[in-house]
Amino acid sequence: AQSVTQLDSQVPVFEEAPVELRCNYSSSVSVYLFWYVQYPNQGLQLLLKYLSGSTLVKGINGFEAEFNKSQTSFHLRKPSVHISDTAEYFCAVSEAGTASKLTFGTGTRLQVTL
Amino acid sequence: GAVVSQHPSWVICKSGTSVKIECRSLDFQATTMFWYRQFPKQSLMLMATSNEGSKATYEQGVEKDKFLINHASLTLSTLTVTSAHPEDSSFYICSARDVIQETQYFGPGTRLLVL
Repeated sequence: AQSVTQLDSQVPVFEEAPVELRCNYSSSVSVYLFWYVQYPNQGLQLLLKYLSGSTLVKGINGFEAEFNKSQTSFHLRKPSVHISDTAEYFCAVSEAGTASKLTFGTGTRLQVTL
Repeated sequence: GAVVSQHPSWVICKSGTSVKIECRSLDFQATTMFWYRQFPKQSLMLMATSNEGSKATYEQGVEKDKFLINHASLTLSTLTVTSAHPEDSSFYICSARDVIQETQYFGPGTRLLVL
């Protein structure tokens, strides 16, 4: 079984500042890693994913994440945030190579202000 | 690509009635779909895994007779909340697994309010 920890429930940041949302996972097998974003009253939108290969993954809206196997982390970063990035961000993990379900973190609320 | 739709987007019903929610993968086939429930300001709670042509797999604590799931085709899964009660009011989200992309894509969600 896998587990995901998002230590920061809320991250306030000023517009145009950089941001990092932290995600750590636990698993005894190889995993796939995902970041999803949820805007109010909407479903989840895929930001980026790591399946294999390069550990630095680039996604939509200028976000990127780096898979660090030794630290079991998959932190999400953006060099300059916009007001429109205000949303809930979920990190998720699944067992690699299977049709297994996703295990989600508790989410991080990114609040961007002027 | 990779679009998943849900219908309806919101529904209000009286206690005791049944409500059906549809989840469709619009541009890919999905042998596996998932149903989640989300309470305010919380993460998603997996309710069940829907497999095309076979019975759904329910998570522990989810009543299979109350939340009926049917996955009759490779692009459609339905969740029926039977004899709904106010405590069933919630935001229900489905996802469909794209086997080629090894990724779950989510629908926009259905907000259910039971009066």
